[in-house]
Amino acid sequence: QVQLKESGPGLVQPSQTLSLTCTVSGFSLTSYNVHWVRQPPGKGLEWMGRMRYNGDTSYNSALKSRLSISRDTSKNQVFLKMNSLQTDDTGTYYCTRDEGYKRYYFDYWGQGVMVTVSS
Amino acid sequence: DIQMTQSPSFLSASVGERVTLSCRASQNINKYLDWYQQKLGEAPKLLIYNTNNLHTGIPSRFSGSGSGTDYTLTISSLQPEDVATYFCLQRNSWPYTFGAGTKLELK
Repeated sequence: QVQLKESGPGLVQPSQTLSLTCTVSGFSLTSYNVHWVRQPPGKGLEWMGRMRYNGDTSYNSALKSRLSISRDTSKNQVFLKMNSLQTDDTGTYYCTRDEGYKRYYFDYWGQGVMVTVSS
Repeated sequence: DIQMTQSPSFLSASVGERVTLSCRASQNINKYLDWYQQKLGEAPKLLIYNTNNLHTGIPSRFSGSGSGTDYTLTISSLQPEDVATYFCLQRNSWPYTFGAGTKLELK
């Protein structure tokens, strides 16, 4: 059974660093790509970045200077770190996956984790 | 970045009605267009991928079409459980970009 689950602090202070974990089960991180997508309250979705099956990463240029995605395949976890947080970084953060090889659509999503940036 | 414009932003329709949602890209996206359904408080759910392919387990009342810059999601007979916000996503070029969504309500 494919599952993705995000975890992390619900509250982060402005200018601090956000650290989130996506723990997956039912598939291997060495066979699938994992992405991070976020959604401000009541607004649309923004693609943030991707961890490829081979360990390569790519980022949305709008966030690239602040964002880092890494993984630990032994723990089936993908990590997101984003620094210099501001109030407009408040929102729900999702991890999702694609199968790659002509199946680059997001077929499974985590439940999301709500992050509030506030002092 | 490719801009995705969805219309309408809000739509009110009756049960059994045929509903059409639109998504327009700022440039040709070569049919790399997916549709997602998001119910209140839930994660997005894949409905349609690559313009017109129905994802596993999705009811056949959902269908997609389009090419170039213009794409459409159609619900042939609206059901109460279809109340949700619908997003389109282009995967033709980086960064992937979503439309702002169409909120679908029952009349």
